[in-house]
Amino acid sequence: QSVLTQPPSVSAAPGQKVTISCSGSSSNIGNNYISWYQQLPGTAPKLLIYENNKRPSGIPDRFSGSKSGTSATLGITGLQTGDEADYYCETWDTSLSAGLFGGGTKLTVL
Amino acid sequence: QLQLQESGPGLVKPSETLSLTCTVSGGSISRSNYYWGWIRQPPGKGLEWIGIIYYSGTTYYNPSLKSRVTISIDTSKDQFSLNLSSVTAADTAVYYCARRFYGSGALDCWGQGTLVTVSS
Repeated sequence: QSVLTQPPSVSAAPGQKVTISCSGSSSNIGNNYISWYQQLPGTAPKLLIYENNKRPSGIPDRFSGSKSGTSATLGITGLQTGDEADYYCETWDTSLSAGLFGGGTKLTVL
Repeated sequence: QLQLQESGPGLVKPSETLSLTCTVSGGSISRSNYYWGWIRQPPGKGLEWIGIIYYSGTTYYNPSLKSRVTISIDTSKDQFSLNLSSVTAADTAVYYCARRFYGSGALDCWGQGTLVTVSS
């Protein structure tokens, strides 16, 4: 069981909006930046969001991130079938002196 | 354009040591604002953070693996390596190497991954 808690799955229709939550504690999310990654089937993860809410070059503004206290949220608007993937949150844990991934959330675009 | 490429045996026997190397091209591994790390993913499961290394040799490891993991770096070859000792079937996974930004901690560039199977 992961220290960072994500819902195992979410789903929504094309064109709709979905949010994916990531819950942690003061030793990780509460005091460190969070990143989000997209993993398409059979491929390596790709950075979607860094420093809680910033998008790397090339990532469309349909993807957004936010953080409040010990939780973070990834938002995806205008869902496309190509967004079907696994999404992971990741941050540093100050108590462990190590990085952590959430358990991952599978997004289905119905 | 920065590229990372994992290499090493795809099959390791139980109780032996898993050894992988990540070769960095298109940029120097000695850049001061990056760590270099290893992440793994068992078949059908989520990502697991293994550890990171700075060009100076400073390392941070996942506590659950710390007793078996060593990450080293060779700046002259722009390579860093993972050794995982006393492997079992539970260590079967796709192993990824990645670059981690020093400030934000974001893993902004990943290798394609390599499957390592632990089996006799």
